[in-house]
Amino acid sequence: KNEVEQSPQNLTAQEGEFITINCSYSVGISALHWLQQHPGGGIVSLFMLSSGKKKHGRLIATINIQEKHSSLHITASHPRDSAVYICAVRGRETSGSRLTFGEGTQLTVNP
Amino acid sequence: EAGVTQFPSHSVIEKGQTVTLRCDPISGHDNLYWYRRVMGKEIKFLLHFVKESKQDESGMPNNRFLAERTGGTYSTLKVQPAELEDSGVYFCASSQGTADYGYTFGSGTRLTVV
Repeated sequence: KNEVEQSPQNLTAQEGEFITINCSYSVGISALHWLQQHPGGGIVSLFMLSSGKKKHGRLIATINIQEKHSSLHITASHPRDSAVYICAVRGRETSGSRLTFGEGTQLTVNP
Repeated sequence: EAGVTQFPSHSVIEKGQTVTLRCDPISGHDNLYWYRRVMGKEIKFLLHFVKESKQDESGMPNNRFLAERTGGTYSTLKVQPAELEDSGVYFCASSQGTADYGYTFGSGTRLTVV
């Protein structure tokens, strides 16, 4: 079982819908990252969280350390939001600062 | 500021051949990481450099993989000889420090071994 689990694996939405992607992890962490990967593209860092909530434009990320759970929300979704969204954690016990990744959530937003 | 640069972006090689991937991190970033995504699986850690030293190479799959970072600038990842299961996307990332610093990822190198 992966230390980082994401749900759903695939998500299709209509433009304008509110989207939530979930991430659960099983280890103590020092930080959690939400990343975005467009088809054929590199990985872009969206958020780094260790507590609470962060907002950037239409994106909101929350984390509950006690429950070992984080969510990424997209408000007023748009077709350009279509991408793979990846949750990754830096374990508190991990040597150095390597990340452990979830499998990603493929989001498709239709016009 | 220039981002993390990886090349080639794509490489198709035959089983048994050698391939060298290169990563140029952001200038001044001492920490450089290699990760790999094999088809259908999550991205997995390969190794971590701090300057020119290997801090953690526990993710390297076997001794066919050799990573170097001479002079603490760019890094190379050589696969010799390549096997079919080495196919995937190899990502490089760099960060300024290890404690709660963000990471900047490259666009990846898609390696196909046929």
